[in-house]
This record gives sequence, structure tokens and C-alpha cells, in this order.
Amino acid sequence: AQTVTQSQPEMSVQEAETVTLSCTYDTSESDYYLFWYKQPPSRQMILVIRQEAYKQQNATENRFSVNFQKAAKSFSLKISDSQLGDAAMYFCAYNNAGNMLTFGGGTRLMVKP
Amino acid sequence: EPEVTQTPSHQVTQMGQEVILRCVPISNHLYFYWYRQILGQKVEFLVSFYNNEISEKSEIFDDQFSVERPDGSNFTLKIRSTKLEDSAMYFCASSVWNVGDTQYFGPGTRLTVL
Repeated sequence: AQTVTQSQPEMSVQEAETVTLSCTYDTSESDYYLFWYKQPPSRQMILVIRQEAYKQQNATENRFSVNFQKAAKSFSLKISDSQLGDAAMYFCAYNNAGNMLTFGGGTRLMVKP
Repeated sequence: EPEVTQTPSHQVTQMGQEVILRCVPISNHLYFYWYRQILGQKVEFLVSFYNNEISEKSEIFDDQFSVERPDGSNFTLKIRSTKLEDSAMYFCASSVWNVGDTQYFGPGTRLTVL
């Protein structure tokens, strides 16, 4: 079974600075998809970014980018120019042949003004 | 922008009672999902639904759970006889396709079983 691990339960960043959230996963598959979701205090899961494993180019979405290292099975999220509204739980998720998303345990990001 | 909606936002029930959680997926989506998140824990997959039948389910989705699409818009999760450990946030999600497509989540229903 696939597993997703987020080794940082909590991270903090100063407003306007850059922070990187870590995610590793375990799979024997070569084709899969990876996601970062944000969960603010309202609890709704919001897609931040999506990466297709067959694409070597790292996905970017405005201030959010990923560092996808397929051989190392690593998928970190970089948030540039952090804003107060970025404070939330961030979940890394994996999807392969089935319909299900497998989530990591989450990282709580605090943004200091 | 279209979004997934869920009702109620909070449901309180007594142990042993039946509850139905409701979701309205995005209208052109074909795949529907339920996930749950026990407080402080990971988000866990329960079930996926396509073409009016279950396409995948987890070990958590036992006989006390059922899903239904009673009409062209609603997607429901029924828990027949609730247990204390069913207390969790339940998220509905939908996607156009299955593998690899982005799943869009609703705001969740907080279920409290007393």
C-alpha cells in the first residue's frame, strides 16, 4: 500500500519570507499524481498544486511551487512571499490507479506578522 | 466558480441512530467521493462512486455505511447505527475523471456522536 509521510508537524515562517514543506511517499508505481491541499481553519480542503509524475518539470502556481524528486520519492512545497492567509494545515496526497487519494499527516503552517 | 456543497455543516446524534450526510457535487463531475477526518488525524478515504455504483471502498467503509445518488444532483452518505468512533469531519469530493484528476472538496460535515 502507498504511504505518504509529512515529517514536519508544524512549521512557522515570517511574513514575506519563503518556507518549504516536506513530503515523501512510498510507491512501486511509475505513473502517479501528487497534490498539495490547504486546509484553513474553516476546514475546507483547497487544492494548492498538482504534479504528474511523468512530467519532469516542477509544477508552479503563482507563489507556490514544488520540488519533485521522483527517484527520491520526494515532493516538497515551497511557498514564496508568505502571507498571513497562507496559515493553514497543508496536506500532501498521492493518487495512482484507484480513485482514492492517500493523504499525509499534515503540516501546520504558522505565519508570523 | 462551481463548488461542492454539503449539508448540514454540523450534525449531532445519539449513538445507535442513523444519520444521512448530504452533498451536491459539481454538476459536470462524474466521480464522487467521501472522506473522513477524525480530529487531529489524517484524512482517510471511505468510498468512491461512479455511474451509480461504488467503484472503490476502503476497509473503513463497512456494512454500516452506504452511499446513494438519489437524484441527478445529490450524493449521500448514510451511517446506519452510529458509534462514538464515527465522530469526525466528513468530506465529500467530486472530479470529472478518476485517476489523477483533481478532486474538489466540499466544506465538510462535522458529525458528533454522543
